[in-house]
This record gives sequence, structure tokens and C-alpha cells, in this order.
Amino acid sequence: GQQVMQIPQYQHVQEGEDFTTYCNSSTTLSNIQWYKQRPGGHPVFLIQLVKSGEVKKQKRLTFQFGEAKKNSSLHITATQTTDVGTYFCAGGATNKLIFGTGTLLAVQP
Amino acid sequence: DTGVSQNPRHKITKRGQNVTFRCDPISEHNRLYWYRQTLGQGPEFLTYFQNEAQLEKSRLLSDRFSAERPKGSFSTLEIQRTEQGDSAMYLCASSLYRQGSSPLHFGNGTRLTVT
Repeated sequence: GQQVMQIPQYQHVQEGEDFTTYCNSSTTLSNIQWYKQRPGGHPVFLIQLVKSGEVKKQKRLTFQFGEAKKNSSLHITATQTTDVGTYFCAGGATNKLIFGTGTLLAVQP
Repeated sequence: DTGVSQNPRHKITKRGQNVTFRCDPISEHNRLYWYRQTLGQGPEFLTYFQNEAQLEKSRLLSDRFSAERPKGSFSTLEIQRTEQGDSAMYLCASSLYRQGSSPLHFGNGTRLTVT
């Protein structure tokens, strides 16, 4: 079955440093979504990418969808303590989303 | 903003007992999903409904699990003869599906502990 992997599993940064998480699917995706889950919370939708090679920005966050639509990345510029949490990519067909393994981001002030 | 509501928030049960969880989605959303999440893992797809029809169920899902959405509004997830391996956070999500994929709105989940 379809698998979605993320690296790294865990990243610890100093506040102000940049952060990137990478997402790879075993199959071609029709779209990819990114979610953030704060400790003790539930996943919250961040963004959706649909087109091959698409790049979207939300303030300090930059999301990219690979040309082959099998990989994606999330880059955070100048991390802040409010960025702490687990970032999940989720991809698949229109019927269901398969979530990645997640990257836990810790930010030291 | 009513959001997705799940009850109960926590459930502790003894192995072998049956449990039932409830999810109330955002009212105008036609799709409802159940996911399961264990510590350090991403949400694992269990099943989903479009209106009252259950359209897909994970092949990994045991026959002990059953879900319903009788009137296309709230949904229930029942686990029969619970096992310790069923201990997890059970997340419900809803979405407004028109064409193509749409964002999932998650509830706060029900944490199940099987002793």
C-alpha cells in the first residue's frame, strides 16, 4: 500500500534558525496537504498543494511540491518558539489522506 | 465556530469490553473520517463516510471495529472485545467535499486506554 515517509523524525533548533522537513511518497500523489499538531493537540490544516512543482508561502513558511508529485518539503525561516510541534504531510487521492510519519520540531529560546 | 466535537475525551476500559465513541462533524460537511494515532506516529486512516454511506474501510481494520453514520450527521465508532493494542487516540475529522481533495478539520480526539 501507499506509504508516506518524512525526515527527519526530530529536529531541535535554536530560535532564529531555519528548519526543513521532507516528505516522500511511494506513489504519485494527486495532491499533498500539510498539518501541524501542537503537543497535546490535534492536527490543524496548514496548506494544500496540487500542481507539479508548486510553491506556496505563508509568512515564514514555504511549501513545495515536487515535479514528479512524489515528494514535498516545508521550510520555516527564522523559527520562533510558537513553531514548536509536529509537522505532518498527508497525501493521496481524493478519497482519503495518508499521513506521513511526522517531524517533531523543538525550538530552544 | 462549532468545530468537530468528539465524546468522550478519555475512555479507560478493561480488555474484552466494548466501547463506543461519538463524533459530531461540522454541520455542513458531507465527509467524515476516522483516524487512529499512537504516540510518535501520524494519524492512521480507518474509514470514511460521504453523507451516510461508508465508502472505504482500511484493510488493516479488524472486524472488531465498526462505524456508522446513520443520518449523515454524527458518527459512532465501536470497538468490540477491546485489546491492549487498541489503546490509542481516535481522531475524527470532517470535510466539505465538492471536487478534488479538501482540508480535514479534526476534533480533539478520544483517548482510549485498555487495561
